[in-house]
Amino acid sequence: GENVEQHPSTLSVQEGDSAVIKCTYSDSASNYFPWYKQELGKRPQLIIDIRSNVGEKKDQRIAVTLNKTAKHFSLHITETQPEDSAVYFCAASSVAGNQFYFGTGTSLTVIP
Amino acid sequence: EPEVTQTPSHQVTQMGQEVILRCVPISNHLYFYWYRQILGQKVEFLVSFYNNEISEKSEIFDDQFSVERPDGSNFTLKIRSTKLEDSAMYFCASSTDRATDTQYFGPGTRLTVL
Repeated sequence: GENVEQHPSTLSVQEGDSAVIKCTYSDSASNYFPWYKQELGKRPQLIIDIRSNVGEKKDQRIAVTLNKTAKHFSLHITETQPEDSAVYFCAASSVAGNQFYFGTGTSLTVIP
Repeated sequence: EPEVTQTPSHQVTQMGQEVILRCVPISNHLYFYWYRQILGQKVEFLVSFYNNEISEKSEIFDDQFSVERPDGSNFTLKIRSTKLEDSAMYFCASSTDRATDTQYFGPGTRLTVL
């Protein structure tokens, strides 16, 4: 099955700086890559996703890049704000499968 | 905006007891999922359900677990004889289509097994 690895496990940045979280996957059939933000005690919320037919997607301060050849994808948050502090999970799935394989999570702290 | 709902928010049970966790997926969604998250760890897939049957399940989803869609709105996860290691947050999710469509998560049920 798919194996998704995520780095770093913790990340601290100063408010206004950028944050980058990286994930790798093992199954070349995976073609859908969502990112979820989970605040303490709350449900995971989708923040952005990318499909394998594009290399980059942007939504305001959040962007995701995908390198299918290298089997990795990254989340970029620019101009970070304290409310960006949360745990971020990447995931991967394929059209043949019916589940998400989640990364281990990155705890992001934005220091005011 | 429609949301997935789950009840109860917190369930405390004694080891060996049966528990039923309930979910109401978004109404026009066709695929339903249960995930588990042990405190401080990643979200783990348990099972997916489509057209009134299990379409995929993980190694975690052993004979102690079962799922059911008893009516047109509820989707339940039953744990037959709970163990201490079943203590976790259980999330239900739903999507309109297969896993390559966005999955919307419920708020979770925190299960504590004593």
